[in-house]
Amino acid sequence: SQTIHQWPATLVQPVGSPLSLECTVEGTSNPNLYWYRQAAGRGLQLLFYSVGIGQISSEVPQNLSASRPQDRQFILSSKKLLLSDSGFYLCAWSVLRRGQGGTPLHFGNGTRLTVT
Amino acid sequence: TQLLEQSPQFLSIQEGENLTVYCNSSSVFSSLQWYRQEPGEGPVLLVTVVTGGEVKKLKRLTFQFGDARKDSSLHITAAQPGDTGLYLCAGGINTNTGNQFYFGTGTSLTVIP
Repeated sequence: SQTIHQWPATLVQPVGSPLSLECTVEGTSNPNLYWYRQAAGRGLQLLFYSVGIGQISSEVPQNLSASRPQDRQFILSSKKLLLSDSGFYLCAWSVLRRGQGGTPLHFGNGTRLTVT
Repeated sequence: TQLLEQSPQFLSIQEGENLTVYCNSSSVFSSLQWYRQEPGEGPVLLVTVVTGGEVKKLKRLTFQFGDARKDSSLHITAAQPGDTGLYLCAGGINTNTGNQFYFGTGTSLTVIP
C-alpha cells in the first residue's frame, strides 16, 4: 500500500532563516507530487506541483521554491523566511490516469510552520 | 489559479438536522472531489465525481456534480457530531503531463449534540 511521510510535524523558525520541508512517498512510482499551504480553517492554496524528477511548476510567485531530486521525494525550501510564510504546509500525491479524473489526492499529515 | 467558492463558510447545527454545502466556480473541471479535514491532519477524500450531473451517495452524504461541471453540492442528512470538521471541495484539471487540483475556500461544520 502507498504511504506518504512528511516532516517535521511542527517547526518554529525566526524571520530570515532558511527552510527545508521534506516529503516522501512509498508504494507507488512516478507520482504527481504537490505542495499546498493552508491558512487556519480555510482552503488549500496550491504552491507547487511536479510530474517528474526535476520538473516543478509554480502556481504563485512567492518566497518559496520546490525541488524533486528523486522520483518519490519532494522538498519545499526557502532561503530566507518571512512572517507571511507561516501556515500549515501539506504534501500530497496522485497518479495520472489519462482520460479519467485522475486518482484523488493523498495527503501527508502536514507541517505547522510558525515564523517568529 | 482556479477559484472555487464554498458556502457557507461556517455552519453550526443541532444533531439530526440536514445541511447542504455548495461549491461554485466559473471554471470547468475534469473531476470534483470532496474532502473532510480534522484539525492538525491532512484532508481525507470522501468522494470523486467525474460526470456532469452525477450523483453519489455515501451513507448519509449525497454529492452532486453540476451538469456543466462547474459546481457541486454536498448534502448531509441527519447530521451527527462525528460529521464535525472542515469540508473542502477540489476541482481537478487533467493535462497531458499531470493533474492539478484547486481547492475551495472551505466550510467549517460543527454539529452540536
